[in-house]
Amino acid sequence: GAVVSQHPSWVICKSGTSVKIECRSLDFQATTMFWYRQFPKQSLMLMATSNEGSKATYEQGVEKDKFLINHASLTLSTLTVTSAHPEDSSFYICSARDRSGAESQQFFGPGTRLTVL
Amino acid sequence: GQNIDQPTEMTATEGAIVQINCTYQTSGFNGLFWYQQHAGEAPTFLSYNVLDGLEEKGRFSSFLSRSKGYSYLLLKELQMKDSASYLCAVRDNTDKLIFGTGTRLQVFP
Repeated sequence: GAVVSQHPSWVICKSGTSVKIECRSLDFQATTMFWYRQFPKQSLMLMATSNEGSKATYEQGVEKDKFLINHASLTLSTLTVTSAHPEDSSFYICSARDRSGAESQQFFGPGTRLTVL
Repeated sequence: GQNIDQPTEMTATEGAIVQINCTYQTSGFNGLFWYQQHAGEAPTFLSYNVLDGLEEKGRFSSFLSRSKGYSYLLLKELQMKDSASYLCAVRDNTDKLIFGTGTRLQVFP
């Protein structure tokens, strides 16, 4: 299957700082990438849909000024958590959709564990 | 609204068969996915159903009934490594994946 990478795999930062997470599709082009957040023992919650070359579409309740998404190329999307606070500590997972298969499925990155002190 | 229901937890014995159910009510339907997720890791794809019926893939099978808004994942010959969370996800008519709460399966020797 297709491979999606995320960097960093984990990050610890101080409250008030900004953190950037990268999501890359390694062996296919992804016009659409998705960003999810997962709190402990809960399921994945979609934060936003990122389309290459255009503005991201945010889900209800997700602050677009706090979670900045950039999708500058067909293989890279970034999520920047601005002015992070302890409640932003979570597991952030990206996925990229490969439209070449009949299932047009999403392939998930390995996730980034963010801890805000 | 969007609603996907799964049991929260299940337990089973090594070598046994377990069925994890999923019921859904979503805005449109463009396929149903099952993912496996080990703690602290990203979900990995298990199966995809878009038409009614059973899809078999080795030890794992998935069934779909669109008229009933129902799917199940069947795991046979359970192994200890199958202990994980199993996520049911529906792709809606905007192409987004809506995830259920996940079912945590524990396999005992």
